[in-house]
Amino acid sequence: ETGVTQSPTHLIKTRGQQVTLRCSSQSGHNTVSWYQQALGQGPQFIFQYYREEENGRGNFPPRFSGLQFPNYSSELNVNALELDDSALYLCASSVRGALYGYTFGSGTRLTVV
Amino acid sequence: AQKITQTQPGMFVQEKEAVTLDCTYDTSDQSYGLFWYKQPSSGEMIFLIYQGSYDEQNATEGRYSLNFQKARKSANLVISASQLGDSAMYFCAIKGSNTGKLIFGQGTTLQVKP
Repeated sequence: ETGVTQSPTHLIKTRGQQVTLRCSSQSGHNTVSWYQQALGQGPQFIFQYYREEENGRGNFPPRFSGLQFPNYSSELNVNALELDDSALYLCASSVRGALYGYTFGSGTRLTVV
Repeated sequence: AQKITQTQPGMFVQEKEAVTLDCTYDTSDQSYGLFWYKQPSSGEMIFLIYQGSYDEQNATEGRYSLNFQKARKSANLVISASQLGDSAMYFCAIKGSNTGKLIFGQGTTLQVKP
């Protein structure tokens, strides 16, 4: 069984730039969620994708956007990067409607300078 | 709306002893799931244990058990026979049946002393 993989593991970007983070879902899962975790905080829900459409969004501005592909993998795009976007970005896959079975990737650590 | 409260920012425990990490929750959902995750310094979010709101028995997974008190909206994690490798950040989270997202608490940093 293939788990959730995220790439890259680390990234340094300059304020104002754009970034794309990638995530592959676990085999058998059809839903991907993205979370932002600032240092010393709990993860915050950004949005979720199901059937290639956004299906729920947290309190994040539109410059945070995403995609889901037919193989259920996903991308998180952040435009016009700000210093406060520096965080660990976690991706999780799951089966829609199931309470159990939420699998996280190892995360991408983004630093904005 | 759902909310998780973890009131212990940091905890210390002696190696081989048991430790309880507190978690209280608030939800209007009748059906929900409660999760505990371990996050070492590497950042990976490691699933530990799950408790469904309709599960009558407390969940157990090896050295981990969940003390679920539904009336008190409490879901404390008990780690028995602590090991040095248990030193990490621990998060409690809730997922409602009508939402696909996990709501996390602020976390508890656990340090195991030799």
